[in-house]
Amino acid sequence: GAGVSQTPSNKVTEKGKYVELRCDPISGHTALYWYRQSLGQGPEFLIYFQGTGAADDSGLPNDRFFAVRPEGSVSTLKIQRTERGDSAVYLCASSSGPTGPGELFFGEGSRLTVL
Amino acid sequence: TQLLEQSPQFLSIQEGENLTVYCNSSSVFSSLQWYRQEPGEGPVLLVTVVTGGEVKKLKRLTFQFGDARKDSSLHITAAQPGDTGLYLCAGVRDSNYQLIWGAGTKLIIKP
Repeated sequence: GAGVSQTPSNKVTEKGKYVELRCDPISGHTALYWYRQSLGQGPEFLIYFQGTGAADDSGLPNDRFFAVRPEGSVSTLKIQRTERGDSAVYLCASSSGPTGPGELFFGEGSRLTVL
Repeated sequence: TQLLEQSPQFLSIQEGENLTVYCNSSSVFSSLQWYRQEPGEGPVLLVTVVTGGEVKKLKRLTFQFGDARKDSSLHITAAQPGDTGLYLCAGVRDSNYQLIWGAGTKLIIKP
């Protein structure tokens, strides 16, 4: 597709379960970002990839959160032992520039609800 | 502490009115971006301002970057229901990859 694709669009899970959220960026975009957005708030930075490597994971809230991008394209955000406070929309964005963010292209997000 | 303060947080006005929303910080940014986000979608870039004092126009939307590159404003003339959405500003510091996001202004234009 032409844009950033995120799956699933909605995920409902129980507290303590494991979830994976997938992001397929725009083809050729080397930079990939994960954000978390709560209702009425701006995006909260989680992690930034440049190519296959996590250039900055300082936004991950704790060690239950992990993300990979093994081939420099698709990325997966993994959340272990989910908690109710993890409920949010998880946004993925990609951009073409390694020198500054330039324009970020966002997916529609994955809405995670932890019961 | 929010590094970028947006005001107002919420604004509901009638179609045809003018409005201004603000994005303020005590920090200097190398550039600042404005995005609009509609429900169920990701933010979409409207404009990037780079130079202090810069003014950019996008149809009925006018964006201004403060002289000191610490603040910005978005002015909408003759607002239309299609302008409804969450307006987010995001600042870039020192041309690195990180965007500092405001909490957004939720704008509703009533027909």
